[in-house]
Amino acid sequence: GAGVSQTPSNKVTEKGKYVELRCDPISGHTALYWYRQSLGQGPEFLIYFQGTGAADDSGLPNDRFFAVRPEGSVSTLKIQRTERGDSAVYLCASSPAGAEGETQYFGPGTRLLVL
Amino acid sequence: GQSLEQPSEVTAVEGAIVQINCTYQTSGFYGLSWYQQHDGGAPTFLSYNALDGLEETGRFSSFLSRSDSYGYLLLQELQMKDSASYFCAAMDSNYQLIWGAGTKLIIKP
Repeated sequence: GAGVSQTPSNKVTEKGKYVELRCDPISGHTALYWYRQSLGQGPEFLIYFQGTGAADDSGLPNDRFFAVRPEGSVSTLKIQRTERGDSAVYLCASSPAGAEGETQYFGPGTRLLVL
Repeated sequence: GQSLEQPSEVTAVEGAIVQINCTYQTSGFYGLSWYQQHDGGAPTFLSYNALDGLEETGRFSSFLSRSDSYGYLLLQELQMKDSASYFCAAMDSNYQLIWGAGTKLIIKP
């Protein structure tokens, strides 16, 4: 079956602009995660959705970052007033229920470059 | 703070065995996961240990010692396709994964 998909695969934007990154999880997975990964580092947790609600948004770095999942499937990560330091690979993952030890299935990521 | 420590790079020979260690410090702990990531690719799940001991899955095994806050990933019969970065990730009390910085495994023929 289809895995997690993310669009766009690459995004180049200018400092100060607004960007939206989309994640399409595996069908039926209620848990959805957003991570940010910089070169040579592990993924950094941003936000976790259980269904339509953000169950844990403690990883969002500041109020420029926001994410939604209005129908409990597709999610959009929104970044306002982008800064050069936002440049990274943004990864999305989903799991069946968000339970302990569940495998998280990752998408290929969106490579964001802020000039 | 929460952190995981693992070596930045390990080199091994094709056909050999390699062990990648991980120590963790988290607020609450449910278990330790291992993920593989090839350059430019997505992380893929390898294993999860919730209890002490060794879990074996084919050529890969993973070990956990909760009392020592320590785990390792053991890769046997190394193949060139195993060249990748390997991440340990601890599940904390909020069921979130806290990730190490990754170990780059270089395999020489």
